Amino acid sequence: GQNIDQPTEMTATEGAIVQINCTYQTSGFNGLFWYQQHAGEAPTFLSYNVLDGLEEKGRFSSFLSRSKGYSYLLLKELQMKDSASYLCAVSDSNYQLIWGAGTKLIIKP
Amino acid sequence: ETGVTQTPRHLVMGMTNKKSLKCEQHLGHNAMYWYKQSAKKPLELMFVYNFKEQTENNSVPSRFSPECPNSSHLFLHLHTLQPEDSALYLCASSQGGTSGGAATDTQYFGPGTRLTVL
Repeated sequence: GQNIDQPTEMTATEGAIVQINCTYQTSGFNGLFWYQQHAGEAPTFLSYNVLDGLEEKGRFSSFLSRSKGYSYLLLKELQMKDSASYLCAVSDSNYQLIWGAGTKLIIKP
Repeated sequence: ETGVTQTPRHLVMGMTNKKSLKCEQHLGHNAMYWYKQSAKKPLELMFVYNFKEQTENNSVPSRFSPECPNSSHLFLHLHTLQPEDSALYLCASSQGGTSGGAATDTQYFGPGTRLTVL
């Protein structure tokens, strides 16, 4: 079967750095997505990785290792507005997105 | 981001009611999706339309009936729902196609309809 695993909840301090991990087992791989979803709102696209390595986009970076079936989202200089759920999704061999349950990130002052 | 709109935003219905959810995308995309989101569960893909043709139906009960009259509009018709169908229903769109990559596969979501079945 296809499976995406990520921690259910994480807590971090404002101004700090946090890493949210995602491991996956899918039939085929055509890229990995990270989305942010604030409570009661739509998921919004953050990043896409299809090759191994680190992609940096401002305070957010995303890393991929295809051989390990592993990705992480790194958030730097945390702000209160970063409190949200972060969803990991993998595009499988049919280009359908397989979703993780999301990681709820709580930022404390 | 108002590229994908959904109405209504909130819906309360009885098990014998018939209602419809509407989604409209203004992004010129060719693929549209219906998802169900329940608390602490992964997004569940319900239906996919590519170029107005349904390409995916993930064993969704027949009490959910999709309709895609054109590439910009998507409906989800609901009838005789069960309380366990209460959830957030999200519509999304993407460029579509089979070449893969961020440009074609990135999905853009509407704000969702919070459905409560009594």
